[in-house]
Amino acid sequence: GQNIDQPTEMTATEGAIVQINCTYQTSGFNGLFWYQQHAGEAPTFLSYNVLDGLEEKGRFSSFLSRSKGYSYLLLKELQMKDSASYLCAPHNDYKLSFGAGTTVTVRA
Amino acid sequence: DAMVIQNPRYQVTQFGKPVTLSCSQTLNHNVMYWYQQKSSQAPKLLFHYYDKDFNNEADTPDNFQSRRPNTSFCFLDIRSPGLGDAAMYLCATSKEGTSGGGGTQYFGPGTRLTVL
Repeated sequence: GQNIDQPTEMTATEGAIVQINCTYQTSGFNGLFWYQQHAGEAPTFLSYNVLDGLEEKGRFSSFLSRSKGYSYLLLKELQMKDSASYLCAPHNDYKLSFGAGTTVTVRA
Repeated sequence: DAMVIQNPRYQVTQFGKPVTLSCSQTLNHNVMYWYQQKSSQAPKLLFHYYDKDFNNEADTPDNFQSRRPNTSFCFLDIRSPGLGDAAMYLCATSKEGTSGGGGTQYFGPGTRLTVL
C-alpha cells in the first residue's frame, strides 16, 4: 500500500522561509516529485528528486533521503503568490502517489 | 501556448446521464492519465494509456471508461454519474512512464464536474 504524510496547513509571512516535510512508505520507489496547486487549478511541476540530497531551483529547493523515506520542500523569500497547496508525490514507474497536500498561506 | 487542453472546463450533468470529458495534448507524449480530485483531497489515478495500451487502476469503478483514439486525444466517459462523482477531473501526460525526468507529468487545467 501507499502512505504519504505531510502537514495539512502552514502559515508564514512574506519574505520568510517555510519547510514542508513529507514522509512516505510506498511499494516500489523510483523518485519523488513536488507539485504546486493553486485553488481550483491544476498541479504544476516544481521539482524531482531521484538521488539523495538537495536539489536547488531558484527560491525552491527539495531534499530526498531514500533510506529514511523522507523529503522536504523548502520555499525561500516567500511571496504572496506562493499561497497554494504543495503536493508530495513519490512515484514507482508511471504511477504517482499523491499526498493530500500542504496548504501554505503567506501573510503580508 | 496550452500543452494539455481539457474541455469543457465546467460540466454540469444530471444524475445518471452519461457525460464525456475530453483531453488533448500538443506534446506528443506517449502516456496520458486521468485523475479524479475531490475537494481538499489528493488527485486519485483512475487509469492511464501508454500509447494504445490501457491500464486501469484496481479500484476504479466500472462506471468510468476511457478511450484514446490517437496520440493527441483521450476521453473520459462516465456512464451513469452519481452524486459522489462530482469532482475535478484532471488529465495529465508524460513523455514516458519510467523513472527520471521522462516521467514528469504535465497537467491540464481540469474539468469541474457537477452532478445534479
